Amino acid sequence: EAQVVESGGGSAEPGGSLRLSCAASGFSFTAAWMSWVRQAPGRGLEWVGQIRSKGGGGTTDYAAPVKGRFTISRDDSKNTIFLQMNSLKTEDTAIYYCIKVYATTGGVAHSFDYWGQGTLVTVSS
Amino acid sequence: EIVMTQSPLSLPVTPGDPASISCRSNQNLLHSNGYNYLDWYLQKPGQSPQLLIYLSSNRASGVPDRFSGSGSGTDFTLEISRVEAEDVGIYYCMQTLQTPWTFGQGTRVEIK
Repeated sequence: EAQVVESGGGSAEPGGSLRLSCAASGFSFTAAWMSWVRQAPGRGLEWVGQIRSKGGGGTTDYAAPVKGRFTISRDDSKNTIFLQMNSLKTEDTAIYYCIKVYATTGGVAHSFDYWGQGTLVTVSS
Repeated sequence: EIVMTQSPLSLPVTPGDPASISCRSNQNLLHSNGYNYLDWYLQKPGQSPQLLIYLSSNRASGVPDRFSGSGSGTDFTLEISRVEAEDVGIYYCMQTLQTPWTFGQGTRVEIK
């Protein structure tokens, strides 16, 4: 069965850094696009960014609030993606979910089919 | 950025009754390839979200057939034919036509 498991959450001070990891299993990781979505306490869902498969170019996209501060990367040899978070702000406090993108239909990637349980990131002084 | 707007934001339901949630986008989600890039997710209390409907009207694997999605362009609807107690939670629509992928605010469904 497909599974993604996040780790690396914790506390950081404003301006600090954290690195999240997401280990995947049970599906063809090398062919998968992967994403991060976050949810601030008591709030809705916010897309953070995505990384394409190597076959899809391996490129990344980011939401405006994190662009230039967050970096998504992948290690296909370890079936793992990473979210490097720098220059953290209090508003980055959230549960961060790692998710497998479902498919590409009609040339457009879409949908999230496997979600991790999430890892909590708290940014405060 | 495509803005997604859901209504209602809160929906009290009676088990066995139908329920309907609306999602509107400020841009057309119908691609030239004929697909509407609109999903529906359910986040049950204390859980991660789960995919219910993709490409506007396709049920995800394992999703009961009481859930259905419809719509095209900018107006979409999620319908539950007969609500069950296990359907409580927050429902989100999301567009994946263009980045940034964006979610609606969420609709909280609760039992009356």
